[in-house]
Amino acid sequence: DVKVTQSSRYLVKRTGEKVFLECVQDMDHENMFWYRQDPGLGLRLIYFSYDVKMKEKGDIPEGYSVSREKKERFSLILESASTNQTSMYLCASSSPPVGNYGYTFGSGTRLTVV
Amino acid sequence: GESVGLHLPTLSVQEGDNSIINCAYSNSASDYFIWYKQESGKGPQFIIDIRSNMDKRQGQRVTVLLNKTVKHLSLQIAATQPGDSAVYFCAENSLTGGGNKLTFGTGTQLKVEL
Repeated sequence: DVKVTQSSRYLVKRTGEKVFLECVQDMDHENMFWYRQDPGLGLRLIYFSYDVKMKEKGDIPEGYSVSREKKERFSLILESASTNQTSMYLCASSSPPVGNYGYTFGSGTRLTVV
Repeated sequence: GESVGLHLPTLSVQEGDNSIINCAYSNSASDYFIWYKQESGKGPQFIIDIRSNMDKRQGQRVTVLLNKTVKHLSLQIAATQPGDSAVYFCAENSLTGGGNKLTFGTGTQLKVEL
């Protein structure tokens, strides 16, 4: 089974800090995604990538950036963390359009900004 | 059913009863739909999918129904068990650029009462 691994389950950071959330998948998937999940708002897409060194903005990219230097790794960066970025962050990967479109998710990183 | 807002819709069922979770999707061009289950503290897990050229698909104890006329999707769980307690999300797929992108509903909390 494909595995999507997020480096931290829980993080506490201070306002203004630069925060890196790491995600690694082991099945050679082309597509990778970052979502944030908040109660009652569901999953909202922050950024996604269909290839190495490629990135596209999702629905709520403000305050975030991403990096994809290697196919298996997709990093989410909070340049200057703010309290409204306290949330659960989920990484996902998928195979190309031909075939199963379904995502495989990591277990999530719960980030608290104080 | 699922809706946008601050409060997660909740469905309470007795153990052994059938559960029906509803979802309204927005894009008439969506070609593929998925149901995910998310247990507390975990990332969403794939349950069942259906393509837009189908009306119904069955899995083990689960059935997905698709009504394209009214853009409605439902998940039926037979003989609901305590282990089915979770948040359930529907997702619709759209093709963009070189890949696919899923848009998620806000989720429905299923509570199984003993």
